[in-house]
Amino acid sequence: AQSVTQPDIHITVSEGASLELRCNYSYGATPYLFWYVQSPGQGLQLLLKYFSGDTLVQGIKGFEAEFKRSQSSFNLRKPSVHWSDAAEYFCAVDVRNDYKLSFGAGTTVTVRA
Amino acid sequence: DGGITQSPKYLFRKEGQNVTLSCEQNLNHDAMYWYRQDPGQGLRLIYYSQIVNDFQKGDIAEGYSVSREKKESFPLTVTSAQKNPTAFYLCASSILPGQGLENIQYFGAGTRLSVL
Repeated sequence: AQSVTQPDIHITVSEGASLELRCNYSYGATPYLFWYVQSPGQGLQLLLKYFSGDTLVQGIKGFEAEFKRSQSSFNLRKPSVHWSDAAEYFCAVDVRNDYKLSFGAGTTVTVRA
Repeated sequence: DGGITQSPKYLFRKEGQNVTLSCEQNLNHDAMYWYRQDPGQGLRLIYYSQIVNDFQKGDIAEGYSVSREKKESFPLTVTSAQKNPTAFYLCASSILPGQGLENIQYFGAGTRLSVL
């Protein structure tokens, strides 16, 4: 079955440490790829997106993501996390460019002082 | 400010009652979407609309209904047929495919629905 997988349900990281969130998809073609962030009780904010071209994309808040076709992955990274990065992160794909998104189950990030 | 407004922020439903969640956007987007969010399950598409007076079922449309009488508005009704309505509901909008611009969905702040 076609799916989006975020293997880590919850990650705890120290402030100032690096962060990597994993995302894998199981679609045949290369979809459009997105990372969104959600603060508690809020809507989703787009962090970054990949449509084509350079496989390393930069986003807002110091985040970046790398698309690896061979691994069907689109992992999100940040070199040094801030306490304000504590939130839930969702990977999403648009398989057919029909603007309907399929979401992973999300990864909750806790930042400790 | 352009954006998507969802109301109310919190909503309570009694058994057997229909309730309607509001979603308004002033981004001039043609497409609008409703998602349901449950803990540990990500977001699932309920309904979407690409033009006024037309809409399509998503993955979990049973027990829900929508209307699209105006471009700016896409209300969602949770009917009494939805036996497990407690969830966080998110509305989103985007441009249409083929308009030559990047596909990005913009989200509202959500409505949390609980059953009394």
